[in-house]
Amino acid sequence: EAGVAQSPRYKIIEKRQSVAFWCNPISGHATLYWYQQILGQGPKLLIQFQNNGVVDDSQLPKDRFSAERLKGVDSTLKIQPAKLEDSAVYLCAIPRGSGAYNEQFFGPGTRLTVL
Amino acid sequence: SQQGEEDPQALSIQEGENATMNCSYKTSINNLQWYRQNSGRGLVHLILIRSNEREKHSGRLRVTLDTSKKSSSLLITASRAADTASYFCATDQAGTALIFGKGTTLSVSS
Repeated sequence: EAGVAQSPRYKIIEKRQSVAFWCNPISGHATLYWYQQILGQGPKLLIQFQNNGVVDDSQLPKDRFSAERLKGVDSTLKIQPAKLEDSAVYLCAIPRGSGAYNEQFFGPGTRLTVL
Repeated sequence: SQQGEEDPQALSIQEGENATMNCSYKTSINNLQWYRQNSGRGLVHLILIRSNEREKHSGRLRVTLDTSKKSSSLLITASRAADTASYFCATDQAGTALIFGKGTTLSVSS
């Protein structure tokens, strides 16, 4: 069974500060996703990686958000500087099973609060 | 942008009752998936139905899909307190990531 570790689990920062999240897929998968889930809404894709390359980052606010995939395994998502509206849960996901139907396995997420 | 819209937004039932939630979407899909999210286990995949299927069962879950109406329903039979969670539909279009709806919050009381 696939697993995804994320850290930290919770983070509280002041607006205009910087923050970074980590995702560690326990079993290697070429595809990795970062989603943003604002309270009361469903997850929204921020960026999709295939190995080290970016497949889709059309909804990533590139003026403040950045992400990278290290050696096609771990990934980091950074926000600099943070805004109040960035308060959300940040979820990392990988394909579930063979991934043939785009089913996804999600990590526990990082809950970010921006004050 | 959000593709799926769940209905109702919130649902409260007693243990043993059935819970039905609906999802509508806007564009053609490869498949539609349902996920559950609670504080204990995060976001978990429940069931998938492909665009050429009309109905699918998994344990106490029954999913239907009507591609002509661009809608799906999730039925949970004999609900338990442990089913208390938010339920999201997610649509898969070829070559894109999943697009989630806003979810239905289900509360099952004993």
